[in-house]
Amino acid sequence: EIVMTQSPATLSVSPGERATLSCRASQSVSSNLAWYQQKPGQAPRLLIYGASTRATGIPARFSGSGSGTEFTLTISSLQSEDFAVYYCQQYNNWPSFGGGTKVEIK
Amino acid sequence: QVQLQQWGAGLLKPSETLSLTCAVYGGSFSGYYWSWIRQPPGKGLEWIGEINHSGSTNYNPSLKSRVTISVDTSKNQFSLKLSSVTAADTAVYYCARGGYPSRFRELRNAYQQFDYWGQGTLVTVSS
Repeated sequence: EIVMTQSPATLSVSPGERATLSCRASQSVSSNLAWYQQKPGQAPRLLIYGASTRATGIPARFSGSGSGTEFTLTISSLQSEDFAVYYCQQYNNWPSFGGGTKVEIK
Repeated sequence: QVQLQQWGAGLLKPSETLSLTCAVYGGSFSGYYWSWIRQPPGKGLEWIGEINHSGSTNYNPSLKSRVTISVDTSKNQFSLKLSSVTAADTAVYYCARGGYPSRFRELRNAYQQFDYWGQGTLVTVSS
């Protein structure tokens, strides 16, 4: 099993500021990495796949980077609707998810 | 517009079998892999397994002994059965579509991200 570790567990950010979320894989997953946003009571929403490709309809303020074992999701200027939990997921092997980062209002 | 609608029993007793079905509306059913994913209350996501239109399956090794995923192509539906449930199986269960067309995914020799999700079904296991 490939273990995905996300940090920090909670990130406190003010609206308009930049948020940087990290995800680390226990072994290389190449660029087979996706990011999701989840709000309370909703299904996850795909943001990024292939480590850096935005999914359909995702605003440009969301960007992904990295390859191998280290990945980053950056939200350039946080909007009110961006406060949520974010998960990374690898799919180089059978899929596994990180434990999530909660982005909360500072 | 692809939509996934899921249903099934929400309250089970220990040792019973969980059964959920997901119907797919819009888009190509035969061209993709279809997965089940679960999320215990307040916790993270766990992939359960997947199936394609021809019935080829892959399962999470930690659940494989108890999981069966099946497909009904005549109805564009796929189903999950999880046997011998315990309280640890209490979770919101989601159905989801694999984000790559099947042929592309198989050429890549990897799995995929999930681009369309069902609304989720809370399944509680309690005596």
